[in-house]
Amino acid sequence: DGGITQSPKYLFRKEGQNVTLSCEQNLNHDAMYWYRQDPGQGLRLIYYSQIVNDFQKGDIAEGYSVSREKKESFPLTVTSAQKNPTAFYLCASSIEAEAFFGQGTRLTVV
Amino acid sequence: GENVEQHPSTLSVQEGDSAVIKCTYSDSASNYFPWYKQELGKRPQLIIDIRSNVGEKKDQRIAVTLNKTAKHFSLHITETQPEDSAVYFCAAFDTGRRALTFGSGTRLQVQP
Repeated sequence: DGGITQSPKYLFRKEGQNVTLSCEQNLNHDAMYWYRQDPGQGLRLIYYSQIVNDFQKGDIAEGYSVSREKKESFPLTVTSAQKNPTAFYLCASSIEAEAFFGQGTRLTVV
Repeated sequence: GENVEQHPSTLSVQEGDSAVIKCTYSDSASNYFPWYKQELGKRPQLIIDIRSNVGEKKDQRIAVTLNKTAKHFSLHITETQPEDSAVYFCAAFDTGRRALTFGSGTRLQVQP
């Protein structure tokens, strides 16, 4: 089954805890992205990567970190510095600008 | 960077009517404009897109128009059906950072 896979689907974080969201793709796409979606709002860009071992901050990178050690993988860590992390997180990969999304991870702070 | 404005934020139509959603963008260098449909709790799904070398594209009941001079593009859905009810997002491809910038979304409700 080809595509882009995010895990877990639901994630609960305690105050002050770091958590990592997984994103894997087997589409052989060079570009990968992380977006955050809050209720009733659009998608905001957190981080993006055009190639392995390189990534850039998006519009709301504070409190997040990423790595891109393999072409297939682009994990996102939500650190304790992110004060309001409850949201729906979407990973995407892209070829020639067309983006394909994973099914999302819903993160809730408890 | 790119900025995308989307209107209206909510739209209610009767089944069978047409629906139009409009977006404007700020960066004249943007060259790719997709539209996504998102159902509650699901991932956005690409429904149609247009590149800057064409002015209109149609796929069955869905069409997109692009006016590069005015920097706006629109989604047109004809003969709406209840299953068209969802949130629709427009986006523009920021050629500088090579990433999509999204509008804030339109919640479309089709009344049976």
